[in-house]
Order: sequence, then structure tokens, then C-alpha cells
Amino acid sequence: DGGITQSPKYLFRKEGQNVTLSCEQNLNHDAMYWYRQDPGQGLRLIYYSQIVNDFQKGDIAEGYSVSREKKESFPLTVTSAQKNPTAFYLCASSIVGTGGLQPQHFGDGTRLSIL
Amino acid sequence: QKEVEQNSGPLSVPEGAIASLNCTYSDRGSQSFFWYRQYSGKSPELIMFIYSNGDKEDGRFTAQLNKASQYVSLLIRDSQPSDSATYLCAVKSSVRDDKIIFGKGTRLHILP
Repeated sequence: DGGITQSPKYLFRKEGQNVTLSCEQNLNHDAMYWYRQDPGQGLRLIYYSQIVNDFQKGDIAEGYSVSREKKESFPLTVTSAQKNPTAFYLCASSIVGTGGLQPQHFGDGTRLSIL
Repeated sequence: QKEVEQNSGPLSVPEGAIASLNCTYSDRGSQSFFWYRQYSGKSPELIMFIYSNGDKEDGRFTAQLNKASQYVSLLIRDSQPSDSATYLCAVKSSVRDDKIIFGKGTRLHILP
């Protein structure tokens, strides 16, 4: 089945540690996105990529890094510089085109907590 | 002014009644509008999208768009307990590099 796979489902980070969240899609979508969701809050964009080997910062990129070496994969690293990493992380993908409708489809998310 | 604004709720609606969820947006050039449903602890699921003024119906769901007034709404007819969730309004911005901007969501509670 086509879809977006995020792993792991739960992740714990120690002080000073970098952790990487995986996101893989087999929908043949060009664009991929990372969002952070805090309790009772909307989705905030961390990074997005519309093409392989290119990505742009979103609204809250500080303390995070990404890579896009393959169309199917868009891993997110939460670095030790991110002082408040506890959140629900969501990966999404969409087609890219001019005009209106490119809805985003989401993976199941990764819940990150500090040990 | 917030870019995409929703009443946080909770909105309580009796089972079988119509639930009406509203969303306003600030970017007058926005072209595409989406409604996502998010159950507690789960990821958002796309349920409706609309890009033309007027109504769009899909089963029990109707999306309504009024670009002149900059609002979009979602109606859920014959509400069921399984409709209890948070509903996120999302708008594709014309000035934010075509990014989709999400509202904080409205919590809907269907009363059995």
C-alpha cells in the first residue's frame, strides 16, 4: 500500500544527544514536510523540501536539521541545540504543481520525549 | 492577526445533529482550503478540500467557502460519536511560498 512511514513511533532523547526521526514515502511525491505539534497547538512547520537535494527552513527550524538525498526519504535530526524537543513530530508529503490543490498526507507521527 | 483562526472549542453537538465548524484566514490571495480530522494521539487525516466559492459535498460532510469574507466552514450532518475529534483548517497561502498554514483546530464532541 502507498503511504508515509515514520519511525520510531516513540523516541527518548538524553541531554546533549542528537536524535534522528525517519520519514519514508512511496507515493512518488516530490514535496515532503516536517511539522511539530505541541499539546493544544496547531502544526508548526520545521523544514520542507520540494525537490531532491534542496530544502527550506520553515517557521521553527532552529535546533533541527534535515537532508533530502532521495525522493522517498526526508529524515529529521533533532539536535542538542533544540532545548525543548518534547513534541509530536509529523512528516507529510504532497505533489508539487502550479495552481491549487496539493493536499498534504501525513505519516503516523513520532512522539519525542526527554529522558 | 492570526493567519488561520479557529475557535478552539470544545464544540458539543448532540448525536444526529449538524456540527458547524468555522475558520477565517487573513491572506486574501489564498487559493486552496483543506479540512483535516485528528483523533487524539493520531496524525491528521484529510477529509475535505475546496478551492471554489460555494459548497462542496462529500457524504455527510459539506465544505463551504466564501473568499470575499475570507472564511471557510465544515458542516457535518447526522453527527456520530465517531466524529468526535479535533478538526484542523488549513489554507494554502499565496504569499508564504505556497506553504500550507494550519489553524490550531476546533475540538468537536458529539454527545450520545
